[in-house]
Amino acid sequence: NAGVTQTPKFRVLKTGQSMTLLCAQDMNHEYMYWYRQDPGMGLRLIHYSVGEGTTAKGEVPDGYNVSRLKKQNFLLGLESAAPSQTSVYFCASSYKKTVANYGYTFGSGTRLTVV
Amino acid sequence: GESVGLHLPTLSVQEGDNSIINCAYSNSASDYFIWYKQESGKGPQFIIDIRSNMDKRQGQRVTVLLNKTVKHLSLQIAATQPGDSAVYFCAENIYSNSGYALNFGKGTSLLVTP
Repeated sequence: NAGVTQTPKFRVLKTGQSMTLLCAQDMNHEYMYWYRQDPGMGLRLIHYSVGEGTTAKGEVPDGYNVSRLKKQNFLLGLESAAPSQTSVYFCASSYKKTVANYGYTFGSGTRLTVV
Repeated sequence: GESVGLHLPTLSVQEGDNSIINCAYSNSASDYFIWYKQESGKGPQFIIDIRSNMDKRQGQRVTVLLNKTVKHLSLQIAATQPGDSAVYFCAENIYSNSGYALNFGKGTSLLVTP
């Protein structure tokens, strides 16, 4: 049981390049999330998904796209990378809303540098 | 406690002392709160949670206190150990028409000195 797995762990992009970050979870969670973490800014929600085939915008969605074609995978795409997108990206997943526990399980992060 | 800005607030405590980390949340309708611990180079890890119908919840060496009147949350760590050194985030549950998501505070860095 691997939990939440993010690939790649590190990446350097040139301005204007595109890439896709992959998040995979094996816990049969309904909800999945993409956050970015910048120094002194905490975690900010980019996009999230409440189920297969659905996505929604979070706090900072501009410059990113997402897809949830399979329940276990949530992809984050950067169509034209900018230096402002240099950050650490975290994926998380959780069960559908329950009475007991809304806790998230986080991946270990992807460190992206755009030069 | 947590605050806006480029630098994380830092709490420095001696090993064996008790630590208290504070957090102010924004949404009076939030009904669920979580504390996370993030060690360097790792993703956040769940520590303890509390629902809004409670004002205190205890775990192993950790206690969360919730004051809904002033929208304040605190995390108390008893007998702080070097392994407790990390950044601690509080998070509140936010609802929207599309479902729910956690809104995170900016974090407090805890440094435990021997």
